[in-house]
Amino acid sequence: KAGVTQTPRYLIKTRGQQVTLSCSPISGHRSVSWYQQTPGQGLQFLFEYFSETQRNKGNFPGRFSGRQFSNSRSEMNVSTLELGDSALYLCASSQTTGSDYGYTFGSGTRLTVV
Amino acid sequence: AQSVTQLGSHVSVSEGALVLLRCNYSSSVPPYLFWYVQYPNQGLQLLLKYTSAATLVKGINGFEAEFKKSETSFHLTKPSAHMSDAAEYFCAVSADYKLSFGAGTTVTVRA
Repeated sequence: KAGVTQTPRYLIKTRGQQVTLSCSPISGHRSVSWYQQTPGQGLQFLFEYFSETQRNKGNFPGRFSGRQFSNSRSEMNVSTLELGDSALYLCASSQTTGSDYGYTFGSGTRLTVV
Repeated sequence: AQSVTQLGSHVSVSEGALVLLRCNYSSSVPPYLFWYVQYPNQGLQLLLKYTSAATLVKGINGFEAEFKKSETSFHLTKPSAHMSDAAEYFCAVSADYKLSFGAGTTVTVRA
């Protein structure tokens, strides 16, 4: 069974540009969530989608957005990149709500903003 | 809001020694608790989860955790450390369609 697939694995962007990251969940999983991991702030929740609906959103500026498609694949977009956006972005999927089921994480996308 | 606190950002153990990683939670309702492990340049791997079925939870790679409501704790243990256990470990609580993580504990295993 294929795991959670995130593309690309590594990305280098220039300040001010925008970036789109992709996540394909495990087959049959309908919930997809995104996290940002940095050495200073640790793991922080960005947003969660279920059946194309955003059910929760973390405390991030509006430059961070996401969406989920009908096949459960998800994308997140960061516009007007800042140096502080450099981080490992992790996607996780779950069959249902995940509260008791648990989330399966992808290997992440390492974004470097220069 | 539900949260977890991990005590100790770094733990160093000898190979074959007990591994003990501490996690305390704050929750007004019975929590769903998880331990994840992260190896360098990788994502998070689920070690085990507590969902109120049993207070002693066994996970992968010989790890287990005990839920203690009176102490609001969910500490992770492994009786005998192996070199391959060197990694970063995260405790997390699930609520409102998200995981809230502790700051993480880095485990170093000495030969």
